[in-house]
Amino acid sequence: KAGVTQTPRYLIKTRGQQVTLSCSPISGHRSVSWYQQTPGQGLQFLFEYFSETQRNKGNFPGRFSGRQFSNSRSEMNVSTLELGDSALYLCASSLGQDQETQYFGPGTRLLVL
Amino acid sequence: DQQVKQNSPSLSVQEGRISILNCDYTNSMFDYFLWYKKYPAEGPTFLISISSIKDKNEDGRFTVFLNKSAKHLSLHIVPSQPGDSAVYFCAASAMGRDDKIIFGKGTRLHILP
Repeated sequence: KAGVTQTPRYLIKTRGQQVTLSCSPISGHRSVSWYQQTPGQGLQFLFEYFSETQRNKGNFPGRFSGRQFSNSRSEMNVSTLELGDSALYLCASSLGQDQETQYFGPGTRLLVL
Repeated sequence: DQQVKQNSPSLSVQEGRISILNCDYTNSMFDYFLWYKKYPAEGPTFLISISSIKDKNEDGRFTVFLNKSAKHLSLHIVPSQPGDSAVYFCAASAMGRDDKIIFGKGTRLHILP
């Protein structure tokens, strides 16, 4: 099976802009979770989508939003970018059952100037 | 407040010796724990997990120990190999709660020749 793919891999934006990141889960996986990784904070959970519905949400401001399509592909959107949004954004997919492992994509590295 | 803590940002171990990575948690509702390994420019990959009904789980060179009373888990790698040099993330979740996986900040392991 193909693994989790994320596009784009690298992105440079300026403050105030908005950005959309895309994640394609492993075939058959219905859950997609998004994480932000920064050197100081490690991995932080953004939100999880399951069957096109947001099932869980972390403690991020409303500028961070997402959605999931019927084919389980997910997008994450960040509006009004701030310098502190520069990070590696990771997407992880799973079947969506309790306590299962997640399979991570390679990430999208976002740099906000 | 961090619910999953990896207090050692980095660790250096001689090749062939044992690497011990530690993780502490504060939430007594956590009942499932995972370790992920991450290379630069790649997403984290699942390594090994343990349920709270066990105190040890072994998979090849990797063993995870769980001490529920101390709210502490550790990952042992023996013997350590050069390819083990990476960042290791400890993660925890609570079944039946919100299914979010909470990650520690990671420990960078250097295997010395």
